[in-house]
Amino acid sequence: QKEVEQNSGPLSVPEGAIASLNCTYSDRGSQSFFWYRQYSGKSPELIMFIYSNGDKEDGRFTAQLNKASQYVSLLIRDSQPSDSATYLCAVVSWGKLQFGAGTQVVVTP
Amino acid sequence: DADVTQTPRNRITKTGKRIMLECSQTKGHDRMYWYRQDPGLGLRLIYYSFDVKDINKGEISDGYSVSRQAQAKFSLSLESAIPNQTALYFCATSDLGDRGYEQYFGPGTRLTVT
Repeated sequence: QKEVEQNSGPLSVPEGAIASLNCTYSDRGSQSFFWYRQYSGKSPELIMFIYSNGDKEDGRFTAQLNKASQYVSLLIRDSQPSDSATYLCAVVSWGKLQFGAGTQVVVTP
Repeated sequence: DADVTQTPRNRITKTGKRIMLECSQTKGHDRMYWYRQDPGLGLRLIYYSFDVKDINKGEISDGYSVSRQAQAKFSLSLESAIPNQTALYFCATSDLGDRGYEQYFGPGTRLTVT
């Protein structure tokens, strides 16, 4: 079992709709969670950080964390073509980041 | 200028050759990391260093070695390159800030071993 699991996609989302990405993790002691966006051939860039249960909003992005269910999600509202990328979930485990394989999002006009 | 730089950006080498990938940072961070990325596998940690005197193996360290020459420099070596080390390699740095130990990535080195 991978430590951080994501659906690989691609997730096809109409422009203007909400994209919903999910991530589960195995280390119950994990305390910090990140979402990175990565365009093809480029380096990952941080878009969301969350460490408390519940929702955290930043612009069009909302991260949701449920530690009891070991589940973290990312919502992208009003999806734009520029949101087409791979989204990596990352979890701090034993002082290191464990990355999921990423979910590819394709926003269609 | 970029905060985290990697050289070279692209490299083609032959099986059995020794190569070195270099990473430099101007962020003043103590923690540095080397990852490789393969299609469908996400980022996997090769080695990490929490300060100049601290070097640790990651999940896929076999066939690799590292050197932390200074706080700002962290090099990755492939002693005898093999084709399945063909991948995109990223260096990253981190320090405790408002967003926890957020990692800042370099632009990546695309390595091809023929």
